[in-house]
Amino acid sequence: AQSVTQLDSQVPVFEEAPVELRCNYSSSVSVYLFWYVQYPNQGLQLLLKYLSGSTLVESINGFEAEFNKSQTSFHLRKPSVHISDTAEYFCAVSGDQAGTALIFGKGTTLSVSS
Amino acid sequence: KAGVTQTPRYLIKTRGQQVTLSCSPISGHRSVSWYQQTPGQGLQFLFEYFSETQRNKGNFPGRFSGRQFSNSRSEMNVSTLELGDSALYLCASSLGNQVDTQYFGPGTRLTVL
Repeated sequence: AQSVTQLDSQVPVFEEAPVELRCNYSSSVSVYLFWYVQYPNQGLQLLLKYLSGSTLVESINGFEAEFNKSQTSFHLRKPSVHISDTAEYFCAVSGDQAGTALIFGKGTTLSVSS
Repeated sequence: KAGVTQTPRYLIKTRGQQVTLSCSPISGHRSVSWYQQTPGQGLQFLFEYFSETQRNKGNFPGRFSGRQFSNSRSEMNVSTLELGDSALYLCASSLGNQVDTQYFGPGTRLTVL
């Protein structure tokens, strides 16, 4: 069975500081990996995804994540955060069955303060 | 393009009742997945429909069921509601492959009293 572990439930940081949200997964098959963001009272939005190829993937708003197969990790990073990045972030892995089921981690709340 | 819509946005029911939630996917999307989000369990996959067929199912009791119509709209039904069914129910639509981005709706907040 597949699983996702987000190692930090809450990450408080100051504006313009760097941040890393950690994600580890377990799977016996090749996987696709995703980071989703959820702003208060909204649904989830895809931030970035790793399918194959380059292990470093980037989003349009400055986040990046690196797929590390040997450490089964997919950590999310941003060199300088803004107040508007305050949200809950979910790491997810595609299911190993047919279809589009996603297995999510428990989420990490990123709180950015000035 | 219009996004994924879910109705109703908020719902209050009492134990033992049943409820039906609706999800309209993005035009052209044939896959609709449903997820339950709670503070304790996080986001859990309920089931996925693709071209009117249930293609995948999570680990939920039979009280949770769904269906998909020929226009790809989907409904989710929960019978004999329990207090623990209080949650945010999210649906997501996609073209249907594992690599495709899933687009989530705003969710239906169900409260069971």
